[in-house]
Amino acid sequence: AAGVIQSPRHLIKEKRETATLKCYPIPRHDTVYWYQQGPGQDPQFLISFYEKMQSDKGSIPDRFSAQQFSDYHSELNMSSLELGDSALYFCASSLPGREGRYEQYFGPGTRLTVT
Amino acid sequence: GDSVTQMEGPVTLSEEAFLTINCTYTATGYPSLFWYVQYPGEGLQLLLKATKADDKGSNKGFEATYRKETTSFHLEKGSVQVSDSAVYFCALIVDFGNEKLTFGTGTRLTIIP
Repeated sequence: AAGVIQSPRHLIKEKRETATLKCYPIPRHDTVYWYQQGPGQDPQFLISFYEKMQSDKGSIPDRFSAQQFSDYHSELNMSSLELGDSALYFCASSLPGREGRYEQYFGPGTRLTVT
Repeated sequence: GDSVTQMEGPVTLSEEAFLTINCTYTATGYPSLFWYVQYPGEGLQLLLKATKADDKGSNKGFEATYRKETTSFHLEKGSVQVSDSAVYFCALIVDFGNEKLTFGTGTRLTIIP
């Protein structure tokens, strides 16, 4: 069965650089979520999109922005990277509606290392 | 705010032992509760869920019952296997339009043969 695809799987950047993470949801899933998991920590919700509109926002820094495109894939743009941004970034997708969010399917994650 | 408190890890058990991982929650609304599992190098997988009080979620031999009176959702398995070694996260979504999963800190489980 098709799963959530994230690219790249690994990314190494230097401080103050920018990074773009991509997420391709499961076919027919039009809701996308982004989570950040620091080393040894629980995943923290960043932002979500439904039908290309932002639907909820969590603890996402102002240096980060995200969008969802017409094909439902999403990109997380991170600027002025800091050492503390080093983490595993997960994307999840779900079917629309109230019931859909109860079944969030996670991708394998992008491991970002900032040096 | 909403939060999930999980049993501190790591937990090491012998194969075929009984497993309990405790999870309690605090929520401003009426939450739905989840257990996610993360195998090494992989993303999070939904293990089981319960959306209302007294519901029991079950999957792959794991069970958890939504106890509103004790605000708990403890994960249990009668006989663990080496392949169950992973990190387990308890999580919740509060109703009324919220999108986000709020996770506990995770419990690393290691099963030794």
